[in-house]
Amino acid sequence: AQSVTQLGSHVSVSEGALVLLRCNYSSSVPPYLFWYVQYPNQGLQLLLKYTSAATLVKGINGFEAEFKKSETSFHLTKPSAHMSDAAEYFCAVSDNFGNEKLTFGTGTRLTIIP
Amino acid sequence: ETGVTQSPTHLIKTRGQQVTLRCSSQSGHNTVSWYQQALGQGPQFIFQYYREEENGRGNFPPRFSGLQFPNYSSELNVNALELDDSALYLCASRLDAGGGTDTQYFGPGTRLTVL
Repeated sequence: AQSVTQLGSHVSVSEGALVLLRCNYSSSVPPYLFWYVQYPNQGLQLLLKYTSAATLVKGINGFEAEFKKSETSFHLTKPSAHMSDAAEYFCAVSDNFGNEKLTFGTGTRLTIIP
Repeated sequence: ETGVTQSPTHLIKTRGQQVTLRCSSQSGHNTVSWYQQALGQGPQFIFQYYREEENGRGNFPPRFSGLQFPNYSSELNVNALELDDSALYLCASRLDAGGGTDTQYFGPGTRLTVL
């Protein structure tokens, strides 16, 4: 079975500072990995996904994530936080068939300090 | 705007009742998945439909059932509602069932409250 663990249920960063949200995965096969963002009272929006094409994945809104097999990690970063980045972020994994039957982490709430 | 819509937005039911939630996918999207997101949790995969056939199921009991229609709409039915069924229910659609580079798009969800 596959799973993801998000370290830190709440993260606060100052506006303009680096954003780092951590995700570690467990999978017996090469995984497909995803980061989603959820704004209050809304559905999920895909930020980026890893499908084994490149280890550094660039997404929308200036976010990127690096797949590190040796560390079983897929951390999400953004060089400079913006107030509009305040939201809930979910890491997810699916099997290597790419059918996107996703297993989500418990989420990290990102707060931006003005 | 993902092109995936869900209805109703909010719903209140009592324990033991039955409920039907609806999802309208983007035209041409043959695959729809349903997720349950309890308050403060990540979404959990309920099941997936591909071309009107169930194509995988998560750890949910049979009282959770679904239908997918040729017009790219789908339903999630829950019988004998329990208090723990209170959650945000999300549907997500994509073009195909597996592989490729197409993206899965989520709807805004239906908030179900069971009293």
